[in-house]
Amino acid sequence: GEDVEQSLFLSVREGDSSVINCTYTDSSSTYLYWYKQEPGAGLQLLTYIFSNMDMKQDQRLTVLLNKKDKHLSLRIADTQTGDSAIYFCAERSQAGTALIFGKGTTLSVSS
Amino acid sequence: DGGITQSPKYLFRKEGQNVTLSCEQNLNHDAMYWYRQDPGQGLRLIYYSQIVNDFQKGDIAEGYSVSREKKESFPLTVTSAQKNPTAFYLCASTAARDSLNEKLFFGSGTQLSVL
Repeated sequence: GEDVEQSLFLSVREGDSSVINCTYTDSSSTYLYWYKQEPGAGLQLLTYIFSNMDMKQDQRLTVLLNKKDKHLSLRIADTQTGDSAIYFCAERSQAGTALIFGKGTTLSVSS
Repeated sequence: DGGITQSPKYLFRKEGQNVTLSCEQNLNHDAMYWYRQDPGQGLRLIYYSQIVNDFQKGDIAEGYSVSREKKESFPLTVTSAQKNPTAFYLCASTAARDSLNEKLFFGSGTQLSVL
């Protein structure tokens, strides 16, 4: 079945780069997403990438997709304390009717 | 401003009681979803609806019920059959009923606790 895996925690210092990794199992995945959740709030879409792309950059965010290894990463440059949140990877397969989410990676940024 | 509104923010349930969580959207979205979030468990799909008067079970539908009488509204009832209801409940919607690019918009969530 479909599954999305993420590491649960990442701790970085302010100003460093953060890299959050995700692996997925469904080879028919068409779009892959990164969502951000701040404490006590809903999820906000950060960025997404279509499966025929290798990389997408959006200001401080860089998404890398290795379709062969089914590996997705989110790099946050110059990480700020306001980036502290839970980051969810999600996939949408051709056969699926809803997004499948990973368990989320809690990013902690220290000053 | 367009968006998704969930209410209440906090809800308490007594044993044996049914409670209903509200979700309203004014984005003119066709599809709506309910997810349950437990610490360290990520989001799990409870129910979804792709069109008015139609809905489908997700991965953990037991102990829950929904209705979709209006496009804007998708209430979730947590019944007494749900033995472990304490969780953060998230409602979401998307315009792309048939599109593969399903960008979800989320409400701010309801925290349900058992008294």
